[in-house]
Amino acid sequence: ETGVTQSPTHLIKTRGQQVTLRCSSQSGHNTVSWYQQALGQGPQFIFQYYREEENGRGNFPPRFSGLQFPNYSSELNVNALELDDSALYLCASSLAGGARSYEQYFGPGTRLTVT
Amino acid sequence: GDSVTQMEGPVTLSEEAFLTINCTYTATGYPSLFWYVQYPGEGLQLLLKATKADDKGSNKGFEATYRKETTSFHLEKGSVQVSDSAVYFCALSQNNQGGKLIFGQGTELSVKP
Repeated sequence: ETGVTQSPTHLIKTRGQQVTLRCSSQSGHNTVSWYQQALGQGPQFIFQYYREEENGRGNFPPRFSGLQFPNYSSELNVNALELDDSALYLCASSLAGGARSYEQYFGPGTRLTVT
Repeated sequence: GDSVTQMEGPVTLSEEAFLTINCTYTATGYPSLFWYVQYPGEGLQLLLKATKADDKGSNKGFEATYRKETTSFHLEKGSVQVSDSAVYFCALSQNNQGGKLIFGQGTELSVKP
């Protein structure tokens, strides 16, 4: 069973640029959620994708957007980067509709630094 | 809105000491409750969970009981090891929100030999 993978591991961008982060869900999972974890804080929910549609969104501006592909992998896009966007971005996958649909499995994260 | 509050860290213990990390929550209805652990440089791992009141989640010697009357889900372990050093996150999920997790701020645990 393949776990959740994310790429890249680390990324450095300049304020105002755009970034795309990628996530491959665990085998058999159909739902992907994205979280932002600032240094020393707990993760904050950005949004979730189920069957290629956004299925819930946290308190993040529209410049945070995403996609889910037919193979259930996902992208997180952030436009017009700000210094406060520097964080660890975590992807989590789960199986919606199953008996344990509440269990989310996290990838190792992408560390984004905005300078 | 829903929220989770954890005791502040860092917590420093000697090996074989007893561990308690307090977690309380504010939520409507009956959320599911979780403890996640984050080792240095890694993502989050699910440690244990409880989905209804009075359930006890347990894994790797850690335990936590879902207390509806005190809205708490305290994490305990009878004898910690150096390898338990990590950051521990308490979280909740409303069953009608597709698994969206709301996390506490995390508690760093450091276990000394």
